[in-house]
Order: sequence, then C-alpha cells, then structure tokens
Amino acid sequence: EVQLVQSGAEVKEPGESLKISCKGSGYSFDTYWIGWVRQMPGKGLEWMGIIYPGDSDTRYSPSFQGQVTISADKSISTAYLQWTSLKASDTAIYYCARSDTRGPAYWGQGTLVTVSS
Amino acid sequence: QSVLTQPPSVSGAPGQMVTISCTGSSSNIGAGYNVHWFQQLPGTAPKLLIYRNTNRPSGVPDRFSGSKSGTSASLAISGLQAEDEADYYCQSYDSSLSDYWVFGGGTKLTVL
Repeated sequence: EVQLVQSGAEVKEPGESLKISCKGSGYSFDTYWIGWVRQMPGKGLEWMGIIYPGDSDTRYSPSFQGQVTISADKSISTAYLQWTSLKASDTAIYYCARSDTRGPAYWGQGTLVTVSS
Repeated sequence: QSVLTQPPSVSGAPGQMVTISCTGSSSNIGAGYNVHWFQQLPGTAPKLLIYRNTNRPSGVPDRFSGSKSGTSASLAISGLQAEDEADYYCQSYDSSLSDYWVFGGGTKLTVL
C-alpha cells in the first residue's frame, strides 16, 4: 500500500528556519515525482514545486521560487520542504503528494505550520 | 487568481445531480493535458476522485463522473448524498510559466 507520512505540526516564530518531511513507503520512492502543495487557512490548493528523488531534479512554481527549498534523500525515502526565514504568511497546511499517470494520486496527511510571534 | 476557474459554490438537494465546471485555456486543458479531480472533506487531505478526465479509482462510486471538452472539464455528481458535502478541486498541467501542476480555486458543494 502506497503511503506518504508527513512530520508533525510545527509552531515557529517569524524569522526562524524550518524543514518538514514526507516519508514514502509501499513503492519505489526514487521513481515517482513528489510534489508539495500549500493550503492557506480557508483557501485553495497551490502547487509549490516538485522533485524527482531518483536524481533530485527539482522544479518550482514561480510563486515559490527562492522562498522555499525542496530536497529528497532517496536512501531513507523522504522528501523535504524547508524555509530559512519564516513569515507569518507562511502559516498554512503543507501537503506532499506522489505524482503518477493519474496526477497527484497519493497525498500525505498534511503538516500544519503556524508562524506567530 | 487560479489558473483554472471553478465556481466558488454549488448546492443541491439529496438525490439531485450537480455539475462543477473547470475552465482553463489553450496552455493547459486546451493543450490536451489531462484533468484530475479531488475531493477534500473537512479537515482531511485531498483524495483523488477522477483521473485522466473520465476515470474513477477503485472505491469511488459511479455517481461521480468526469468529462472534458476543449478548454474545459466538468465533474458531475448524481444521486447527491449528505456525505458528498466537501470541497472539490480540478487539477491539470500548464506549459507556460514553468507551472507543472495547476489547480482550480475549488468549489464548495453544499447538500441542502
């Protein structure tokens, strides 16, 4: 069974750094693209970027380029999303999703990131 | 402003049918890219509902159906049930601005 398990909720202050994770299981992790999606409170889904764990080829949405870094460690079947300096506007739920011919067919449970002073 | 346009809300009584539209352009749906649909129940992650325009994953009732024509796609839900009350999102791909995945803004379905 394909599963994506994300790290737990985080509460951070503005200016802090953060790295959240998404661990895949039940499939060959390095042969499927993993994307990250933001959902701000009460809002819709926004694609942030995507990575191919096999060779770490990474693409970013122009809206998020330079704001976050996406990476992956295929040896432990885990993808990451990180910030160097969080802002209050980064408060959101972040989802990882595995992409195949059916689109982002499998989703993690989401990680709530709260940035507040 | 989302690349794909959906109505913010639709509603229907139990047993009725509703449709949700997803309008794109020549750089996404109109370019031949597939459209996928997701259901998001309150407090949960999105779930794949329709893939490659018209296909249902196993376990999704046949009350849910998808179609695509030109620069638009539609999700139809027949025999509405209370448990269908959720947010629905369409998703496709876009060849411009390096956007790989593009989403609709989402549609809130209310079962009256």
